[in-house]
Amino acid sequence: AQKVTQAQTEISVVEKEDVTLDCVYETRDTTYYLFWYKQPPSGELVFLIRRNSFDEQNEISGRYSWNFQKSTSSFNFTITASQVVDSAVYFCALSVMEYGNKLVFGAGTILRVKS
Amino acid sequence: DAGVTQSPTHLIKTRGQQVTLRCSPKSGHDTVSWYQQALGQGPQFIFQYYEEEERQRGNFPDRFSGHQFPNYSSELNVNALLLGDSALYLCASSGGTSVRKLFFGSGTQLSVL
Repeated sequence: AQKVTQAQTEISVVEKEDVTLDCVYETRDTTYYLFWYKQPPSGELVFLIRRNSFDEQNEISGRYSWNFQKSTSSFNFTITASQVVDSAVYFCALSVMEYGNKLVFGAGTILRVKS
Repeated sequence: DAGVTQSPTHLIKTRGQQVTLRCSPKSGHDTVSWYQQALGQGPQFIFQYYEEEERQRGNFPDRFSGHQFPNYSSELNVNALLLGDSALYLCASSGGTSVRKLFFGSGTQLSVL
């Protein structure tokens, strides 16, 4: 079975601080995909990144960066110089090849950025 | 280019009633998945439709059923509503069933009283 754990229920930071959201996953499959989605108050899940299990290279996109470590089964997400608009619920998710694009989500981390 | 659209946005029902939720996928997408998101939790996969057939199903009872139409739009039906069915129901679309980026709608907030 697949499982995603986001241990941080809620994080509060002051604008311009850096913040890291943790994600730990469990799967016995060797081929899988990891995702991060953002859910603003409007409810729509916004895709941020997809990473496959064979690519451990870290990725940076603007103020966002992701650290994928298979040795610790973690896929952490860092926002540099946070902004109020970053306030949202962030979800980490896992998909294995066998089940196509069925996603298993973590419980989410609420990020509050205060001005 | 319209994204994934869902209707209605909010719905209030009473226990035992039946409900139908609707979803139109993003233009060019042929696969629709439905997710249930209870308050304070992550979305849970209900089922996926492709070529008008249910291709995958999550751990949900038979009270949850769906349909996909030739234009790729989809409906989610829930019979004999329970209080525990109160949740945000999200529709997601993609081009094909293989692992790829899903586009989500804003959801239908269902309240069962």
